[in-house]
Parts: sequence; C-alpha cells; structure tokens
Amino acid sequence: QKEVEQDPGPLSVPEGAIVSLNCTYSNSAFQYFMWYRQYSRKGPELLMYTYSSGNKEDGRFTAQVDKSSKYISLFIRDSQPSDSATYLCAMREGGGGKLIFGQGTELSVKP
Amino acid sequence: NAGVTQTPKFRILKIGQSMTLQCTQDMNHNYMYWYRQDPGMGLKLIYYSVGAGITDKGEVPNGYNVSRSTTEDFPLRLELAAPSQTSVYFCASRRRTGGDQPQHFGDGTRLSIL
Repeated sequence: QKEVEQDPGPLSVPEGAIVSLNCTYSNSAFQYFMWYRQYSRKGPELLMYTYSSGNKEDGRFTAQVDKSSKYISLFIRDSQPSDSATYLCAMREGGGGKLIFGQGTELSVKP
Repeated sequence: NAGVTQTPKFRILKIGQSMTLQCTQDMNHNYMYWYRQDPGMGLKLIYYSVGAGITDKGEVPNGYNVSRSTTEDFPLRLELAAPSQTSVYFCASRRRTGGDQPQHFGDGTRLSIL
C-alpha cells in the first residue's frame, strides 16, 4: 500500500463546476497537509496548507483534513479554465520531515 | 527575486554518459531537495540537504550523487546514464524553521536517455 494515494483522474469539468480532489494516507503521524498546483511544464507551487485537522478557505479554494479517516480534500468552487492543471497532495510528519506526494490529479476545466 | 533556478531545461543523453543538473536558490534557504517526476507517479525524493556540507538519501537515490558546498547550490550528478533515468527532475528549497514553510520549486530539467 502506498503511503499516500490520490484519485488518479484525469478529471474534466465544465466552467463553473465545483471540483473535489481527494487523497488518503496510511501514516497517522502526518501533521502537515498541503496541496500543490502544477501547470504544464512548470514546477509545483503551494496552493493550500493545513496543519492537523480542520478546514481552511482561501477564495474559491477550501482544504479539508480529516485525520480520523486519514483523508484530505481540496474543493474548488466556480472552477475556471485557468484552474486547469495537475493538483498534487503532499504531507509530512514534523517540521523537518520529508514531504510525501500523491500521484497527482490532472484537472481540465472546459469553457 | 529569481527563486529556484534549474539548468539546463532540456537535455538528451546517450546511455553511459554523465552529466550534472544544476540548481541554485537565492532565498538563503537551508533545506534543498531533488525530486524526479514520472508520468502518473507523483514526485519521488532522490536526495536532500539540510545545510551546506550535509546531504542524505531520499526514496530513490541509486544512480545519483549530490554535493552541497554552499547554501545556494545543490547540483545532482548522474554518473552512468541509464534509460530508467529518463524523467523530469525538480529541485526545491525551503526555510529550516516552521513546519508550515512551503517548498519552492524550480521549473524542472527534462532529461531523456537514449
């Protein structure tokens, strides 16, 4: 079993749709949870960060962490064509721990 | 502010050749990382460094070497290129303090071994 599993996609939605991206993990020691966005032929960039359980909202993006279920989600409201990218979940234990990435989900938002 | 800069952007190597992928950052970050990204496989950690003179293996270190003589630079060396090393390589850096410090990535080096 992989330490972090991410829904494989690819995912194609119409503009304005609500998008849900998800990851599950097996290591209960993970404390820091992140979502990176990666545009084609670019490096990943941090989109959202959450410490421990709970929700965090930033504009159209909401990150959720459920540590009891070992499950994290990223919601995108009113999706835009500019949201078309690969989304990678990532997590680590302590502050100095190594980041473990999911496989990535490719999202396409059609106008 | 350039951030993390990787060179070259593209390279084609023949089997058995060697090369160095360059990475430099201008943010005075202590931690630096090398990842490879294969289609549908996410990012796999090759090597990392917590400061100048200190390096350690990640998940997939075989076939690679690194050095960290300065805070700014973290080159990755391939000694005997093999087709299995065809991939996109990303360098990243972050501050030492604070678990919420994000990793900043370069735009990658696309490497093909033929």
